[in-house]
Amino acid sequence: EPEVTQTPSHQVTQMGQEVILRCVPISNHLYFYWYRQILGQKVEFLVSFYNNEISEKSEIFDDQFSVERPDGSNFTLKIRSTKLEDSAMYFCASSTDGNSNQPQHFGDGTRLSIL
Amino acid sequence: GNSVTQMEGPVTLSEEAFLTINCTYTATGYPSLFWYVQYPGEGLQLLLKATKADDKGSNKGFEATYRKETTSFHLEKGSVQVSDSAVYFCALSVLDDKIIFGKGTRLHILP
Repeated sequence: EPEVTQTPSHQVTQMGQEVILRCVPISNHLYFYWYRQILGQKVEFLVSFYNNEISEKSEIFDDQFSVERPDGSNFTLKIRSTKLEDSAMYFCASSTDGNSNQPQHFGDGTRLSIL
Repeated sequence: GNSVTQMEGPVTLSEEAFLTINCTYTATGYPSLFWYVQYPGEGLQLLLKATKADDKGSNKGFEATYRKETTSFHLEKGSVQVSDSAVYFCALSVLDDKIIFGKGTRLHILP
């Protein structure tokens, strides 16, 4: 069964450094998402992306965050200048369409640790 | 606003016990409801879903019924196994496609 893959599984970065988290969504999916889960807290929506532009973003997704689909397969999340509070598990997801009835398929996540 | 509230964990049961994890929601409009499961070291997997009132979602012996009158979507399983040990997330989505998750309930099943 096709799946969403994320790399790396664990990223350790110094505070203030830029980090790029990578995702390969399922190949025929058109809608892409990033969520994050701070340790011990709920999974929170960050951003949705369709047709090469952001569809919606949460208040967490400030100017330090950006997303890109640089080619036909990858979907990246960039944090420009990381802060300690960015430490979390980041999940990428994709779906066939933006209908709330359609399930989103999640990757295994990237654990980001900011030192 | 839209939100999901689920029972606090951890929940510890013996194998073959009956499981209920409570979930209630607040939503404007008519949400789709989901249960996601996260096994140790893995990502989020869709366990089951229901898209309208009185629908029952089911998968792997788990069931949940969309109750509009009580705004609930409780997860149940008649006989749990050790392999069911995981974190379970109740979630909803309304019109737009972002998913709103509950805090998760950690389930431990003892052999």
